Amino acid sequence: AQSVAQPEDQVNVAEGNPLTVKCTYSVSGNPYLFWYVQYPNRGLQFLLKYITGDNLVKGSYGFEAEFNKSQTSFHLKKPSALVSDSALYFCAVRRSSGSARQLTFGSGTQLTVLP
Amino acid sequence: ETGVTQTPRHLVMGMTNKKSLKCEQHLGHNAMYWYKQSAKKPLELMFVYSLEERVENNSVPSRFSPECPNSSHLFLHLHTLQPEDSALYLCASSQDRIYNEQFFGPGTRLTVL
Repeated sequence: AQSVAQPEDQVNVAEGNPLTVKCTYSVSGNPYLFWYVQYPNRGLQFLLKYITGDNLVKGSYGFEAEFNKSQTSFHLKKPSALVSDSALYFCAVRRSSGSARQLTFGSGTQLTVLP
Repeated sequence: ETGVTQTPRHLVMGMTNKKSLKCEQHLGHNAMYWYKQSAKKPLELMFVYSLEERVENNSVPSRFSPECPNSSHLFLHLHTLQPEDSALYLCASSQDRIYNEQFFGPGTRLTVL
């Protein structure tokens, strides 16, 4: 079985400050990891993914995430938050082997950037 | 936009009605997915189609019936739903490789009275 935990339902940060949205995962074997963002009344938009290689992955809108195998974490970060970053963020994991297409999502973290 | 469209965007139906949700992708992908998103819960994968064949069905009640007539279109037929089926239904598509990201439509907000 595979699972994702996003331990914070809500993260508040002041505009211009760095932000971190936490994600830990559990999967047998090597993981493929994804971050998505959802704005109100919209579907999920892909931000970035880790497949292999460099543990620091850069994505859209200035976001990046660091894969840490020993801590089974894939935290999302941005050096300077914008009010427009306020949205719901989802982490997701999939096994890197096997044919199953199951992408398991976390329950989401609501990010609010305060002006 | 993501290249995945869904209609209708909002749907209110009674428990005895029959309705269908439609999804269309313009990305040339060969896999399509239905997800259910309920408040405060993780996204639940309902069905996966690859090359127009259903390849995954995650114990979804039979009152939900998917159809994939071609690689660009996906339907979710609904009948005799329950109030607890009220949710946001999301369609997604991807190239069918396990490392590929999925592209999501805006969703259909379904309310069952």
